[in-house]
Amino acid sequence: TQLLEQSPQFLSIQEGENLTVYCNSSSVFSSLQWYRQEPGEGPVLLVTVVTGGEVKKLKRLTFQFGDARKDSSLHITAAQPGDTGLYLCAGGGSNYKLTFGKGTLLTVNP
Amino acid sequence: DTGVSQDPRHKITKRGQNVTFRCDPISEHNRLYWYRQTLGQGPEFLTYFQNEAQLEKSRLLSDRFSAERPKGSFSTLEIQRTEQGDSAMYLCASGDIPSNQPQHFGDGTRLSIL
Repeated sequence: TQLLEQSPQFLSIQEGENLTVYCNSSSVFSSLQWYRQEPGEGPVLLVTVVTGGEVKKLKRLTFQFGDARKDSSLHITAAQPGDTGLYLCAGGGSNYKLTFGKGTLLTVNP
Repeated sequence: DTGVSQDPRHKITKRGQNVTFRCDPISEHNRLYWYRQTLGQGPEFLTYFQNEAQLEKSRLLSDRFSAERPKGSFSTLEIQRTEQGDSAMYLCASGDIPSNQPQHFGDGTRLSIL
C-alpha cells in the first residue's frame, strides 16, 4: 500500500512569513500533484510534477519533486491570508488513481 | 467550461435508506473518478470510468455501492442500506488524455447518516 505522509499537519503563521510543507513516501510515484482545498469545496489542482528533481514556480509558490520521486515540498513566500486552506499532495501511478496524503491545514493570520 | 458539477451538495438521511448522487463532468473529459473524503483525511479513491466503462473499483467500494456512467457523460453513485460509516464527502473528478490522473474536482456531496 502506497502511503503519503504530510508534515506538518497544522501550521498557523502571520502574514508575510515564509513556510514549507512536506510530502514524503517510501514509494516511487510517476507524478505528484499538489491541491488546495477550502472548507466545503473540492480540491483545486495547483501543480503536477513528473520529473525527479523538478522545480515549478507558481507566483509565490515553489514546488519541488525529489530526485527519487518519493517526496515533494511546497514553499510559500510572503504568505497572505488568501493562502489559507488545506494543502494536499497526491501521488499518481500508471493505474489512474491518486493516493492522497492527509493534508496540511494552513492558517495565515492578518 | 462550467467545471465538474455534483448534485446534491448535501444529503441527510436515516441509516438504512438508499441514496444516489450525480456527477456531471467537464463535457469533453472522457475520464471520471469518484473519491470519498472523511474529516481529517485526504480523498480516497473509489472508482474510475473511461467513457462508459468502469475500469477500476477500490476494495472500499462494498457491494452496497454501485456506480454507473451509462452514456459516457454524467455518472451516478448509489449507496444502498446506508450505514453510519458512510458519512463522508463524496467527490467526483474528471480528466482527459494524456493525463492519467484527475484534473478537476467537483465540490462534492456531503452525506450525513443519522
